[in-house]
Amino acid sequence: GAGVSQSPSNKVTEKGKDVELRCDPISGHTALYWYRQSLGQGLEFLIYFQGNSAPDKSGLPSDRFSAERTGGSVSTLTIQRTQQEDSAVYLCASSLGGRVRPQHFGDGTRLSIL
Amino acid sequence: DAKTTQPPSMDCAEGRAANLPCNHSTISGNEYVYWYRQIHSQGPQYIIHGLKNNETNEMASLIITEDRKSSTLILPHATLRDTAVYYCIAAPEWGANNLFFGTGTRLTVIP
Repeated sequence: GAGVSQSPSNKVTEKGKDVELRCDPISGHTALYWYRQSLGQGLEFLIYFQGNSAPDKSGLPSDRFSAERTGGSVSTLTIQRTQQEDSAVYLCASSLGGRVRPQHFGDGTRLSIL
Repeated sequence: DAKTTQPPSMDCAEGRAANLPCNHSTISGNEYVYWYRQIHSQGPQYIIHGLKNNETNEMASLIITEDRKSSTLILPHATLRDTAVYYCIAAPEWGANNLFFGTGTRLTVIP
């Protein structure tokens, strides 16, 4: 069946521009997560959605980062006024939510800020 | 969440069993052990998880010690496609709002 889909797969943009990254979770998965991974590093948690609400935004690094989820499905991560340190792979995962539900990841969006 | 410790790298001959250890000596009673792997340029892939009993699925086996302070992921017949970074994670039973991926073990399967 279809897995987690992320778009675009690669994004190159100039410093100061805004970017939007999209995540299509697995159908029926109520929980959705955003992480980022810098080169050679582990994953850094950004935000968690249960349905359309975000009970845990603790990982968002600054107010330039925001995310929304509509219809309990697609999510968009927006980065405003991008900086070079925002360059990373942004990964989305989804799960059935609740008790002991493994997260299933997309292949990420590789964001490069020039 | 409990911290986990893994060796930074391991090699395994193709066709042999790969045994990847993980220490989680501070794991609490409601924390499960999860294993994920990440192949180059791909997102992490869920492998298996367990609480205290040994578990097996089509990908791997998970052996958890009786005191739950350590575990071993076993890939019974490693192939070149199993070359990846393997992450051991201890996460609570409910929700696991975020998973803490450390630096993992880089497994190289050698022809």
